[in-house]
Amino acid sequence: QSALTQPASVSGSPGQSITISCTGTSSDVGVYNYVSWYQQHPGKAPKLMIYDVFNRPSGVSDRFSGSKSGNTASLTISGLQAEDEADYYCSSYTRSSTRYVFGSGTKVTVL
Amino acid sequence: EVQLVESGGALVQAGGSLRLSCAASGFTFRGYFMNWVRQAPGKGLEWVGLIRKKGDSYTTEYAASVKGRFTISRDDSKNSLYLQMNSLKTEDTAVYYCARDNDYRLDPWGQGTLVTVSS
Repeated sequence: QSALTQPASVSGSPGQSITISCTGTSSDVGVYNYVSWYQQHPGKAPKLMIYDVFNRPSGVSDRFSGSKSGNTASLTISGLQAEDEADYYCSSYTRSSTRYVFGSGTKVTVL
Repeated sequence: EVQLVESGGALVQAGGSLRLSCAASGFTFRGYFMNWVRQAPGKGLEWVGLIRKKGDSYTTEYAASVKGRFTISRDDSKNSLYLQMNSLKTEDTAVYYCARDNDYRLDPWGQGTLVTVSS
């Protein structure tokens, strides 16, 4: 099972908006609305930021939003802040024998 | 507070075995599927496997990379999840996280435990 494809890095200035893409296939992202996004700061555990494509868990800033079109899901961070600098991973439920497939990860840098 | 705490990580030689544990608290452990996810040094996340709950006969699923070598189990009376790792390879070196499966999303995650396999 191949990993979902994400850009290796995305950067932006404070206050700007950035978007991270996550491209899968018709066996995962394209067929299920079970796409999640996780934020991971260095040395820390991943934290759920978005689930079911666009839903935010309680406590997650509304600056984070998710969407999907075809086989590609996206995470947008608006009003970029220094604390948003981290690695971000997408994940999707998959119809293969595995349950989840993860993206390759995107390093977000706040300039 | 919902919490997961892993333990058992260690330095082990290739071909050896290790058992990781994950202690759960703050939620009804028996009501959830549970997963293991790993992260090799400097690399991305890799799903390792899951165990379903009693009502689903505690069935398991595994990534191809660990199938036949790793076994996931749980003890609902102790609110604990386990990962038995046999025939370890150097490429199994990683931080291992347990994570609650909450309707197709992983939340929360434990802090992780480091497994290092030496040659």
